[in-house]
Amino acid sequence: GENVEQHPSTLSVQEGDSAVIKCTYSDSASNYFPWYKQELGKRPQLIIDIRSNVGEKKDQRIAVTLNKTAKHFSLHITETQPEDSAVYFCAAPERSGSARQLTFGSGTQLTVLP
Amino acid sequence: KAGVTQTPRYLIKTRGQQVTLSCSPISGHRSVSWYQQTPGQGLQFLFEYFSETQRNKGNFPGRFSGRQFSNSRSEMNVSTLELGDSALYLCASRPTGRGEKLFFGSGTQLSVL
Repeated sequence: GENVEQHPSTLSVQEGDSAVIKCTYSDSASNYFPWYKQELGKRPQLIIDIRSNVGEKKDQRIAVTLNKTAKHFSLHITETQPEDSAVYFCAAPERSGSARQLTFGSGTQLTVLP
Repeated sequence: KAGVTQTPRYLIKTRGQQVTLSCSPISGHRSVSWYQQTPGQGLQFLFEYFSETQRNKGNFPGRFSGRQFSNSRSEMNVSTLELGDSALYLCASRPTGRGEKLFFGSGTQLSVL
């Protein structure tokens, strides 16, 4: 099955700096890579996703890059703000029979220091 | 549109008891997945239901079971609770069984004493 590894597990940055979180996946057939943000005590929410037919996608201060050859994808947050502090999860789909489920990385606790 | 609703929000049980958690998906969503979240372990897939049928199951013991009703609402049951079952249990729905985007509920925080 799909194996998703996420690094680093914790990340502290100064407000205004950039943050980068990286994930690797094992199934070369995977074609969809979402990122979820989970604030303390709240539900995980999809913040950005990318499909394998593109190498990069941006949405304001966040971007995701994908390297299919190396089987890794990264989340980039620029001009970080205190409200960016949260746990971020990457995921990749795993096919099982007729169904597809998401396999998640172990999460990155991002802390933006004022 | 209302989001994914999970009840109860918090639950305290003792070892050996059983527990039932409930999830109401977004209206029109037919797929419901359950995940267990523990500190440092990320989100571990439990199972997925689609049109009242279990389509997928993660690597959890048989004490964990679930079902889905005709209105797509789902329940998850854990029997003979163990201390290690303490976790946040998240339910997620998606429109069909093929799309990948998951919409999560706020979860049920289960504490086993």
